Amino acid sequence: ETGVTQTPRHLVMGMTNKKSLKCEQHLGHNAMYWYKQSAKKPLELMFVYNFKEQTENNSVPSRFSPECPNSSHLFLHLHTLQPEDSALYLCASSQVGPREQYFGPGTRLTVT
Amino acid sequence: DAKTTQPPSMDCAEGRAANLPCNHSTISGNEYVYWYRQIHSQGPQYIIHGLKNNETNEMASLIITEDRKSSTLILPHATLRDTAVYYCIAQETSGSRLTFGEGTQLTVNP
Repeated sequence: ETGVTQTPRHLVMGMTNKKSLKCEQHLGHNAMYWYKQSAKKPLELMFVYNFKEQTENNSVPSRFSPECPNSSHLFLHLHTLQPEDSALYLCASSQVGPREQYFGPGTRLTVT
Repeated sequence: DAKTTQPPSMDCAEGRAANLPCNHSTISGNEYVYWYRQIHSQGPQYIIHGLKNNETNEMASLIITEDRKSSTLILPHATLRDTAVYYCIAQETSGSRLTFGEGTQLTVNP
């Protein structure tokens, strides 16, 4: 499945580092999403972008900063994270509206 | 979005049909029933969705009761690769938000 790609697949960062996660979709979709999945917890929606505009921020701390330069690319900029932010970060895309979402493989983030 | 309830785990023998139930007794008329699955440490995979009618695709069948308060996902011939967590989600027709619950861990045994 190469419709939605994410890089890097694994990332270890210190609490004072700044890093970015990248997501790219090749499906011609116009909505993109960031989800967080902590160990043994359900997926949590973080951000939603429709037509490059952020339409939902699910009370995410400001140390997570999303960016959507176009409908095919989505970034998640990370700075001064905490160890509890260690998780699997998943990107998804869909057509705008109640349509099936296609997920990338995720980035496994460890904050030390 | 309506809350859905699923059993935490189920087992199925390889080659047999796997029937995964989901209760959504508070579902409203404008909410679809979506099913996704997540194989360990991978991204979730869309399986199927429906509103009122039963649906079938190359992966599975979805049976929705007439009152829409419950549904069943059927994998007709389960294989070891179908071992995954299966999520049943009620999604509004006017939005794109997916609210994931705990899902059902399906284990297909040889």
